[in-house]
Amino acid sequence: EVQLVESGGGLIQPGGSLRLSCVASGFTVSSNYMTWVRQAPGKGLEWVSVIYSGGSTYYADSVKGRFTISRDNSKNTLYLQMNSLRVEDTAVYYCARGDLEKADYWGQGTLVTVSS
Amino acid sequence: QSALTQPASVSGSPGQSITISCTGTSSDVGGYNYVSWYQQHPGKAPKLMIYEVSNRPSGVSNRFSGSKSGNTASLTISGLQAEDEADYYCSSYTSSSTRVFGTGTKVTVL
Repeated sequence: EVQLVESGGGLIQPGGSLRLSCVASGFTVSSNYMTWVRQAPGKGLEWVSVIYSGGSTYYADSVKGRFTISRDNSKNTLYLQMNSLRVEDTAVYYCARGDLEKADYWGQGTLVTVSS
Repeated sequence: QSALTQPASVSGSPGQSITISCTGTSSDVGGYNYVSWYQQHPGKAPKLMIYEVSNRPSGVSNRFSGSKSGNTASLTISGLQAEDEADYYCSSYTSSSTRVFGTGTKVTVL
């Protein structure tokens, strides 16, 4: 059974850093495109980043240069390293299997709150 | 990287059909057949309903269908049911290799 479980969210001050994890089971992360999507409280979905199976990465302009997507093949885990966090980064962060055009499995999300 | 434009809300009675539009540009919706639609119930993760403009994943009801004309994509829900009440988002690949969601549409079953 395919499952994605995010963790690492929490309360962090502006300017701080946080690393989100997404542990996958039932499939191999490195063989798939993997995506991060976020949703600010009461707002719509926002695409954040994608990592291709070949390792190429792409980011939304709003996070480029501050966030880094990566994976650990030995742990079958996807990561999102978030630096220089801003209040506007407050959101539930979801990981998903696949590119956004066909993201077929999603995690339950982890809440990141950036506030002083 | 502006969000694609969707109507804020659409409503219909049980059994009726409704259509949600998703308008972009030639750099996203109009330029690629990589338009998808997601359903999201409150407090839940999004669910893929349509991919590559008009394809349904296994397990998704055939009451959901997608299409595209020019820079506008559409999701049609036929035979509207109470369980279809949710938020719906379109998404598209873009010419800058990023992806973009629509603004979202709240579907209400009257």
